[in-house]
Amino acid sequence: RKEVEQDPGPFNVPEGATVAFNCTYSNSASQSFFWYRQDCRKEPKLLMSVYSSGNEDGRFTAQLNRASQYISLLIRDSKLSDSATYLCVVNRNEKLTFGTGTRLTIIP
Amino acid sequence: DTAVSQTPKYLVTQMGNDKSIKCEQNLGHDTMYWYKQDSKKFLKIMFSYNNKELIINETVPNRFSPKSPDKAHLNLHINSLELGDSAVYFCASSQTTTGYNEQFFGPGTRLTVL
Repeated sequence: RKEVEQDPGPFNVPEGATVAFNCTYSNSASQSFFWYRQDCRKEPKLLMSVYSSGNEDGRFTAQLNRASQYISLLIRDSKLSDSATYLCVVNRNEKLTFGTGTRLTIIP
Repeated sequence: DTAVSQTPKYLVTQMGNDKSIKCEQNLGHDTMYWYKQDSKKFLKIMFSYNNKELIINETVPNRFSPKSPDKAHLNLHINSLELGDSAVYFCASSQTTTGYNEQFFGPGTRLTVL
């Protein structure tokens, strides 16, 4: 079983829609959690950290369920510029493990 | 005012050659990393250094040797390049004392071995 699992997609979503990504992780000792975004032929960039209480940043909401070892990302009112690959990332002992990413395309 | 920079951006070379990639960060971070992203886009850690000390050394061939002259620089030297080394190599840095390990990535070096 992979340490971090994501649905690879692709997700093709109309502009303005709400889209949700899920991710599961296998190691219960994982310490911190992130969503990164990677555009085509670019480096991964931190989108947001994920906290147990849930956190929101504009149109983006992240949730963490430690009991289920489950992380989610919700994007509301999607924009064309949201098209990218979204990487679920788990940190344990200063080592990040990346999921394979979920590819999102926003359709005009 | 680039935070994490890498050189070169593109590297095309023949099998068997030796090459180096350089990385520098101006964020004042204490830890730096090298990652490999293969053709399937899977991003995997190779090495990490904390204040010039090797911390993480994943299962990577001995042909890959990282060197950290100071905590702002982490270079990657690759000997006897093979076709399978073709990938994008990303450098990253973080301040691990925060406990969260948010990492900031360089723009990547696209290595093609012919």
